[in-house]
Amino acid sequence: NAGVMQNPRHLVRRRGQEARLRCSPMKGHSHVYWYRQLPEEGLKFMVYLQKENIIDESGMPKERFSAEFPKEGPSILRIQQVVRGDSAAYFCASSPVVGLAGAETQYFGPGTRLLVL
Amino acid sequence: QQQVKQSPQSLIVQKGGISIINCAYENTAFDYFPWYQQFPGKGPALLIAIRPDVSEKKEGRFTISFNKSAKQFSLHIMDSQPGDSATYFCAASTSGANNLFFGTGTRLTVIP
Repeated sequence: NAGVMQNPRHLVRRRGQEARLRCSPMKGHSHVYWYRQLPEEGLKFMVYLQKENIIDESGMPKERFSAEFPKEGPSILRIQQVVRGDSAAYFCASSPVVGLAGAETQYFGPGTRLLVL
Repeated sequence: QQQVKQSPQSLIVQKGGISIINCAYENTAFDYFPWYQQFPGKGPALLIAIRPDVSEKKEGRFTISFNKSAKQFSLHIMDSQPGDSATYFCAASTSGANNLFFGTGTRLTVIP
């Protein structure tokens, strides 16, 4: 059973470009979470999605960031007009259930390292 | 603000020694406290977790100690090995919550 897949693993963008990060959850998982890890910091929650629905986006910056989890295909985290401060590692986690059990059963992908020049 | 405070930021331990990492929290609604291990270039992997109804949980060389009244919990790695060298994150969550609140991480180096 393959784990959580994220691609690309590394992404370099110039200021003003768009970044698209993809996450394929584990087989049988329908809940996806995105976290951002700034250098020398812990992971910070961004957004929680189920298929075709954004459930909690309380950690998402108000502008330039969006996320989706379509019925078919991976979850996408999209950052428009990137700035240097967006440089970070972005991790996706998936779980088969919601709530506390979801927190217990979140499996993390290897992350996408975004570098904005 | 940082919901979970973690210390130390970095730790160097001799092989065979005990590594101790501490975390503190403020939100008394937290009722799930996991520790994650992260190797360079990899995502965090769940190492061990505890709920507040017990004061200690042990799995192999890894032990979580939990002090509910002090709102603190710690990870002890006994007989530390060079292969344990990684970054360790504590985290906390609440029943019904969608997300985990992470500490800032401790970079552990075990020297032979």
